[in-house]
This record gives sequence, structure tokens and C-alpha cells, in this order.
Amino acid sequence: DQQVKQNSPSLSVQEGRISILNCDYTNSMFDYFLWYKKYPAEGPTFLISISSIKDKNEDGRFTVFLNKSAKHLSLHIVPSQPGDSAVYFCAAKGSSGGSNYKLTFGKGTLLTVNP
Amino acid sequence: EAGVVQSPRYKIIEKKQPVAFWCNPISGHNTLYWYRQNLGQGPELLIRYENEEAVDDSQLPKDRFSAERLKGVDSTLKIQPAELGDSAVYLCASSPGQGSYQETQYFGPGTRLLVL
Repeated sequence: DQQVKQNSPSLSVQEGRISILNCDYTNSMFDYFLWYKKYPAEGPTFLISISSIKDKNEDGRFTVFLNKSAKHLSLHIVPSQPGDSAVYFCAAKGSSGGSNYKLTFGKGTLLTVNP
Repeated sequence: EAGVVQSPRYKIIEKKQPVAFWCNPISGHNTLYWYRQNLGQGPELLIRYENEEAVDDSQLPKDRFSAERLKGVDSTLKIQPAELGDSAVYLCASSPGQGSYQETQYFGPGTRLLVL
């Protein structure tokens, strides 16, 4: 049972354009969401996060939007750069229950930014 | 500041053999996590330590997997005996452990295990 879903295994974008990566979740107890970026042969690197009390968080070229009613979040990268080419993981956690520090990850989306 | 260090980076073993992975977290980080990432999947938590105490090992297959963090710093994850299905990347992560719900987990580069 995949509680965090990234339905697009891959995405290809031209340099300078917008990249939009999507993520859906099923567990209504999730209240904190993160995006990690992963280059080959490296570990995931934290990119940006958002709490459920917000619907938008921005950090430079990266913006995460949260739609709680739809249980959907998205990561926007504007403008996209070739160095953004990586696998992007959506992750979530919930504040209730014993595993309140446990991150649940999606399967990832491979972003390719073409020069 | 040094990141999370893991060794070895790659390991190839035959099934039924034992294997061990080592992790040294970021200096001062009290919380340490071991994750397993299967091919085409996201990382899945195996165990979480607060200092030397394993506070969440509910996802650790205890029949063949064991872990320790004796002095509350570095940690070892062991598999004995390894099975073909254990082939994966084993990731270690750490976080400050200051009690903030939103604190970031920092990942090491992982150990890629191949069981033949």
C-alpha cells in the first residue's frame, strides 16, 4: 500500500522552462512534507519542505504547493537548469502515533533538464 | 562540516554469507536512521536510534537483521545470513535530535549491496 505516490517515473524539460513534479498521498495523518533530490551514487539531499498549516513555501527557484483537500503537493522549479537533473523524492510524516519521525517516501521522479 | 559517512560503498557477497555496514553520523547528531532502498523505490526506514537506544525498530526484519549503536555515535547494521532479496542500497541518515518535529534528516551516500 503506497501511502505516498509519485505517478510520473520521469519528466523531461527544456532548460529555462518550468519543471513541475507531482506527489499524492493517502494518509490523512500526514502533516509535514518534504522533497529530496538524489544524484546517482549519492544519498538523498533535502531540498524544501512544507507544513500542513501552509499551502505554499518558496526557496529561490523552488516552490512547493500543498493542496490538503486533494491530498496533493507539487514542486515547481523555475527556471530549470541542467544541474537540476536528478531523481526527486516526495516524503511525508505524521505527528500522531509512535512513528512520528518516520519519513514515508514516494518512488521518485527522474527529472532530466535538457540544455 | 563532514557529512554522514558510510562504508563500504559497494559490497558483493554470495547468499547465506554475513555482511555488515558501518555509518558515522554528522558530529553532534543524536538521532541515527538506517533505511533500505530497493531498485525503483523510495527509501524505507529500518531502524531509528536516539543516542544508543533503538526507539523504532518495527520495520527491521529481526530474524536476520541486527543493528547496534553502542556509544551513541557510529552504528553498524548486520545481515546474517544474506538472501537474494536483500540486494539494495542501505542508507544511513542522521538528524540533530533536538526534539524538533521538523528537523532535517541528512543522508549518507549509501552502501550498495549485491547478493549473488
